[in-house]
Amino acid sequence: NAGVTQTPKFQVLKTGQSMTLQCAQDMNHNSMYWYRQDPGMGLRLIYYSASEGTTDKGEVPNGYNVSRLNKREFSLRLESAAPSQTSVYFCASSEVVTGSYNEQFFGPGTRLTVL
Amino acid sequence: AQSVTQPDIHITVSEGASLELRCNYSYGATPYLFWYVQSPGQGLQLLLKYFSGDTLVQGIKGFEAEFKRSQSSFNLRKPSVHWSDAAEYFCAVGPPSGGYQKVTFGTGTKLQVIP
Repeated sequence: NAGVTQTPKFQVLKTGQSMTLQCAQDMNHNSMYWYRQDPGMGLRLIYYSASEGTTDKGEVPNGYNVSRLNKREFSLRLESAAPSQTSVYFCASSEVVTGSYNEQFFGPGTRLTVL
Repeated sequence: AQSVTQPDIHITVSEGASLELRCNYSYGATPYLFWYVQSPGQGLQLLLKYFSGDTLVQGIKGFEAEFKRSQSSFNLRKPSVHWSDAAEYFCAVGPPSGGYQKVTFGTGTKLQVIP
């Protein structure tokens, strides 16, 4: 099992360019998440998908869009990149259990720089 | 609103010494509490979680954490640190109802291990 995979690992964009970060999981999890990690700020949730066919905003959704392509894949799109979106992006997945937390698995991250 | 505070940004310990990383939380009732580890260039990995029961919870890699309701704390400990423990550690808090979209992460403590 590969777990959670993300592509690309590194990306440099110019302001205004667009790109899509890809995420896939092979654990048959219902829920998937996109986070950004900035120094001194911990992880902040951008968007999540509780189940296939649904997506919801997290704490910091502005400037991003997502697509839950199928149960395995959850992509994050930057339509017009800004320097403030320079960050490390993590995708994660988990199985959902009401009233509890099954383990959440993280991908290795995408380091994005916007010039 | 829930919150979590990790007061130490950076900690240095000698290999073989004991370790305690501090975490304080704010939540109206007893929340779920988590500790994660992030090795350089990697995603987060769950070390342990706590909701109820014995206030001393054991995790992976020889780590343990103690829940103290009176102090709103959930400190992470390890009796003897190994060089491979050098990483960043995140405390997190979530509501009893579950749902990682509602989990709040701390800002992290970076651990350096010296020979």
